[in-house]
Amino acid sequence: GAGVSQSPRYKVTKRGQDVALRCDPISGHVSLYWYRQALGQGPEFLTYFNYEAQQDKSGLPNDRFSAERPEGSISTLTIQRTEQRDSAMYRCASSLETIPGSPLHFGNGTRLTVT
Amino acid sequence: GNSVTQMEGPVTLSEEAFLTINCTYTATGYPSLFWYVQYPGEGLQLLLKATKADDKGSNKGFEATYRKETTSFHLEKGSVQVSDSAVYFCALKYGGATNKLIFGTGTLLAVQP
Repeated sequence: GAGVSQSPRYKVTKRGQDVALRCDPISGHVSLYWYRQALGQGPEFLTYFNYEAQQDKSGLPNDRFSAERPEGSISTLTIQRTEQRDSAMYRCASSLETIPGSPLHFGNGTRLTVT
Repeated sequence: GNSVTQMEGPVTLSEEAFLTINCTYTATGYPSLFWYVQYPGEGLQLLLKATKADDKGSNKGFEATYRKETTSFHLEKGSVQVSDSAVYFCALKYGGATNKLIFGTGTLLAVQP
């Protein structure tokens, strides 16, 4: 597609359920990033991949959060045993190269609400 | 630690007014600085960037100058349009071979005709 695609666009889940958020980056983009954005705040870094390798997961809040990109393209962010504090907009971004400064292209995000 | 502070919004202006959105940063070393824009219903888009002191980033009539002495990267535009209404995020990248960005909280700009 023309841009970064995220699905679902909205997700409402009950506390304690697991959720999987999908990101389809721009074709050919090497790097893929996950950010989380609380209401009224800027995005916060969660984790990123170069190709299929997870390079940095220092922003993941705890071990309920995990991410994978098994074939170096589509990525899934999984949150286990969701809690209300996990409610936020989850944004995926990709960039063409691993060179620092390559611009990030963001998707429209997945709005997660945990009830 | 590294951080970005933006002026709080919303900022409401009439069309053709002059715009300034303040951004200051705290960082060790020499970060790269960015402005991203989020139009309603869309993802964030890179608006402009500057990678070293005294660099000026510009795009679509917007400008920002990397001021190391004041640790600032204020966004300016001489004459705003209704179509500029959006949320603007200042961000820094603190070195290294990644696109790990630290974002400010965002400033909502509303331009009235």
